[in-house]
Parts: sequence; C-alpha cells; structure tokens
Amino acid sequence: DAKTTQPTSMDCAEGRAANLPCNHSTISGNEYVYWYRQIHSQGPQYIIHGLKNNETNEMASLIITEDRKSSTLILPHATLRDTAVYYCIVRVEAGGTSYGKLTFGQGTILTVHP
Amino acid sequence: ETGVTQTPRHLVMGMTNKKSLKCEQHLGHNAMYWYKQSAKKPLELMFVYNFKEQTENNSVPSRFSPECPNSSHLFLHLHTLQPEDSALYLCASSQVGQGSYEQYFGPGTRLTVT
Repeated sequence: DAKTTQPTSMDCAEGRAANLPCNHSTISGNEYVYWYRQIHSQGPQYIIHGLKNNETNEMASLIITEDRKSSTLILPHATLRDTAVYYCIVRVEAGGTSYGKLTFGQGTILTVHP
Repeated sequence: ETGVTQTPRHLVMGMTNKKSLKCEQHLGHNAMYWYKQSAKKPLELMFVYNFKEQTENNSVPSRFSPECPNSSHLFLHLHTLQPEDSALYLCASSQVGQGSYEQYFGPGTRLTVT
C-alpha cells in the first residue's frame, strides 16, 4: 500500500474552512484515497473516499490532484466538534472477498478554536 | 440499537482475571475487526473475521482470544493480561465485496490492567 504523509497538527478558526493536506506520491493507479477522523477517545469515523475525481458529501470535500500524488480534505465550515485526528489512508479497491484492511498512521490533529 | 456497539465501555481488570469484550453490529455486515489503540500510537489491527472465518491475526499474543459466533457478534476474550495491554479496544465492521473500505467503528472499550 502507498504510504501517506500528513502534517502532525493544524489549527483552524471556527466557521472557516479547514484544509487538510495529504501526500501520497507513490500511489498506484488502482488505489483509492480514504479519510477517517477520530474524535478524542471515540472510534474512527469514515468521512469520504475517492479515486481521481473530486468528491463531496454532507461532511466534506475531497480534492485529488491530477497526478494523484496528493489530496486535500476540506471541511467547509469548521466547528468546534470537528476537532479530531484526521487520517488519510490509501488502499486498493476492495473486491470479491477482500475485507479491506486499513492501516492507520499518526494522522493530523486538527484543533478548531473559537 | 444502531451501528456498532461495544460493551463494556470501561473495564479495569487484574493481571490474573479473565474477562471478555463484546461487539455487536446492526448493519448487516459480513466482516468484523478488532483494533488496539495504545496511548500516543496509531490504531493497530489485531484480528479480522471475514464471513465468520478468522482471516488475519497480526501476531497478537495468545492471551487475547477472539471469537466470532455469527456475522453480527464478535468477542475478545482476555486472560492473564499485562499492564502494557491497557488501551482502547475498538471493534469495526464492513461489508465485504462492495468495493469500499468503509468501516464502521464502535465507541471502544477502555481497558486498564492493574
């Protein structure tokens, strides 16, 4: 699996957009980019994933560069409840009986302040 | 109950005790996972059950014994643990074969070994 590199920590003002970068320069053509987050002492929560097109859902947007070597998770209007550790994970598509193993790194600690 | 539930939420046990952690998923998924999260460390995958069969054991010591009686329930039996086994134990589930690594996590059991 391709390795990912994320900043250790970031700050964001409440109400502003939070842009969390992730580098995955060794990503292969069949590998997806997944984002999860973990609020303190809770289980991780799936946010979004994508292959090469930009994706948006009710939680966030995912922007993947054209060469796919990096991506940015955007939380459009960050709130205090978005304070969490954000994990960027790259994996091949799960298919058939593949159960989809996820390998979590250290992630980015996002702190949203008033 | 919806999603993934775990009981107990907190557990304190002595090194000679035997206890069990329980996980139940109400999502109709066919794969279940145990993860360990020690302080200041990334999540570590411990066991995977795919269609009730154990498909992965990441060199976990035998004092941790998983059990998956059906696709909705997963147990982690604990005996003669060490203080370094104190951690947050997370259960997750996913639907295999749907082309996605979207895993749903429970809230975790905070285990303290004294």
